[in-house]
Amino acid sequence: AQSVTQLGSHVSVSEGALVLLRCNYSSSVPPYLFWYVQYPNQGLQLLLKYTTGATLVKGINGFEAEFKKSETSFHLTKPSAHMSDAAEYFCAVRGAGTALIFGKGTTLSVSS
Amino acid sequence: DAGVIQSPRHEVTEMGQEVTLRCKPISGHNSLFWYRQTMMRGLELLIYFNNNVPIDDSGMPEDRFSAKMPNASFSTLKIQPSEPRDSAVYFCASSLEAGRNEQFFGPGTRLTVL
Repeated sequence: AQSVTQLGSHVSVSEGALVLLRCNYSSSVPPYLFWYVQYPNQGLQLLLKYTTGATLVKGINGFEAEFKKSETSFHLTKPSAHMSDAAEYFCAVRGAGTALIFGKGTTLSVSS
Repeated sequence: DAGVIQSPRHEVTEMGQEVTLRCKPISGHNSLFWYRQTMMRGLELLIYFNNNVPIDDSGMPEDRFSAKMPNASFSTLKIQPSEPRDSAVYFCASSLEAGRNEQFFGPGTRLTVL
C-alpha cells in the first residue's frame, strides 16, 4: 500500500532562511512523487514532480526536491524563503492503480 | 485553457437540503477526482472517474453522497440530505491519466450547511 507522511504540520522560518519541508513515503510500486502548494482560499497547484530519471527535481518559485530511495524521502527545499512562500504544502505519492495519495500538509509561515 | 471550473464557489444551505456541486475538467483529461478538505481531516479523496467511469468511490462518506460523470466535460457531486458535518471545501481535479500525471485542481466550492 502507498502512504505519505509529512513531518511537522507547521514550519516557521525567517525571510531569507532555508526552507525544508519533510516528506516520507511508502510504496509497493516505483513511486511517482509530487509536491503541491495551496495558497489561502485557492486550489492546489503543482510545484514539482518526480517520475523517473534525475533524482533532483526543480520546480516553480525556486523550490526543488530530491528523491532518495534509500531513505524513502522526498523533501522539499528552497534556499531563501520569501514572504510570498507562506502557504500550505502537500506531498503526494502515486497509488497503485489509484489516484494520488496526499499527506496531511505542512503550513509554512515566513516572518520578516 | 481555463483550467478546472467549479460552481458554485460558495454555497450556504440548511440542513436537510439537497446540494449539487459541479465541475468541468480540463479538455482532453480523462480522469476526474472529487476531494473534500476540512481542518480536522485534511484533504480526502471522495471518488474518482476514469473515462467517465467511477473507479474508486471508497472515500464517499455515506449514501447521502453521490457523484456522476455523464460525459467527459461535466461531473456533479450531490449531497442529499445535507448535514452540518458536510461543511467543507470540495475540490475537483482532473488529469491526463490517474496516478501518472499531475492533477490540476479547481478553485473549490466552500459549502456551509447550517
